Amino acid sequence: SQQGEEDPQALSIQEGENATMNCSYKTSINNLQWYRQNSGRGLVHLILIRSNEREKHSGRLRVTLDTSKKSSSLLITASRAADTASYFCAVYNQGGKLIFGQGTELSVKP
Amino acid sequence: DVKVTQSSRYLVKRTGEKVFLECVQDMDHENMFWYRQDPGLGLRLIYFSYDVKMKEKGDIPEGYSVSREKKERFSLILESASTNQTSMYLCASSHGTDMYNEQFFGPGTRLTVL
Repeated sequence: SQQGEEDPQALSIQEGENATMNCSYKTSINNLQWYRQNSGRGLVHLILIRSNEREKHSGRLRVTLDTSKKSSSLLITASRAADTASYFCAVYNQGGKLIFGQGTELSVKP
Repeated sequence: DVKVTQSSRYLVKRTGEKVFLECVQDMDHENMFWYRQDPGLGLRLIYFSYDVKMKEKGDIPEGYSVSREKKERFSLILESASTNQTSMYLCASSHGTDMYNEQFFGPGTRLTVL
């Protein structure tokens, strides 16, 4: 099964609200990455958090990592309609391959 | 900015045809990857390459081959296309010094095999 599993599968919010997505994984990690994919397009790397970091910010994005619980969360503050996309977490497995979760579909209504 | 380009956004081919998907990156990245993405199955790694003329099988290599003759170009080949290869194909690249780096993706090629 996938290393990274996102929750919820789908999320619908109003513009201006915050969106929180969660990710769980199974093994020890070097880092955890979050990507965004607009409909029908390629993935865009958003943020990388290393295993010795607990929290990281980038603009309106805030990522937390809890290695004891093997989980991460992505918070998008003050969401905009342009944030509508699928969001994936990804971790490297022991074979050195980047494994993606199934993704959370975020819909931000204007 | 890193730029990864793929030769086509949309492609329609017939069963049995040989199909070439091209990927080019302009950041001198050592590592290149081919994935396919299907609803309910997520992204699955087909092949990857850590260097010129080098290739490694990913999780689903059957029915595919690859070619990396130049550092910037990584080609995915469907020797005899089948309908179950209808999918979104994504190419990615990453810098080679740290094997745990982020990957940079192309825009994707949506392939339909009739």
